Amino acid sequence: SAVISQKPSRDICQRGTSLTIQCQVDSQVTMMFWYRQQPGQSLTLIATANQGSEATYESGFVIDKFPISRPNLTFSTLTVSNMSPEDSSIYLCSVEGTWGNTEAFFGQGTRLTVV
Amino acid sequence: AQKVTQAQTEISVVEKEDVTLDCVYETRDTTYYLFWYKQPPSGELVFLIRRNSFDEQNEISGRYSWNFQKSTSSFNFTITASQVVDSAVYFCALSEAFTGRRALTFGSGTRLQVQP
Repeated sequence: SAVISQKPSRDICQRGTSLTIQCQVDSQVTMMFWYRQQPGQSLTLIATANQGSEATYESGFVIDKFPISRPNLTFSTLTVSNMSPEDSSIYLCSVEGTWGNTEAFFGQGTRLTVV
Repeated sequence: AQKVTQAQTEISVVEKEDVTLDCVYETRDTTYYLFWYKQPPSGELVFLIRRNSFDEQNEISGRYSWNFQKSTSSFNFTITASQVVDSAVYFCALSEAFTGRRALTFGSGTRLQVQP
């Protein structure tokens, strides 16, 4: 199994500022995923982060707005840049289970409110 | 492309009723995983089940049961004798195990309200 620690758990930020969310995993993983969950909505994949390479972004998400770092196999950050109220969401990091493992693992999420 | 459809936006039942949450998926991969997650009002995602595409056996865990039918691309979830604590949003999700999209594609979710 994998335990994911995500920080901060919540924050209230001023529009125009940036917030960096950290995701720490207690084991080495190849892929880490970042999701956004807008209020009342489902989870949408922002990007896939592999160690040692550029993150792969989904349609509608760009690196300038959501830069991602993946310096090693246990850690990743997602920055939400130049925030607007539309960025108010829950942001979650996730890692996949191995073949013998049952679940995809999620952090507790970062609840972001932009005012 | 992969897609997960949860046609039921919201379901309301009275405690002790049985309820089935529907999930229909689309994928071109022959090997894939299907998931169900529960998201209570507190917001965390609670893992319920993962099913491999080559394992079509239905599964029962306490009051929960899952019906996987490849022929209809469905993976439905039934709660027997529902309880107020079952009130949550339930998400069905898909990942393509090897060559496809490894991240989860989520359905839009079904909000279940269990009234006392």
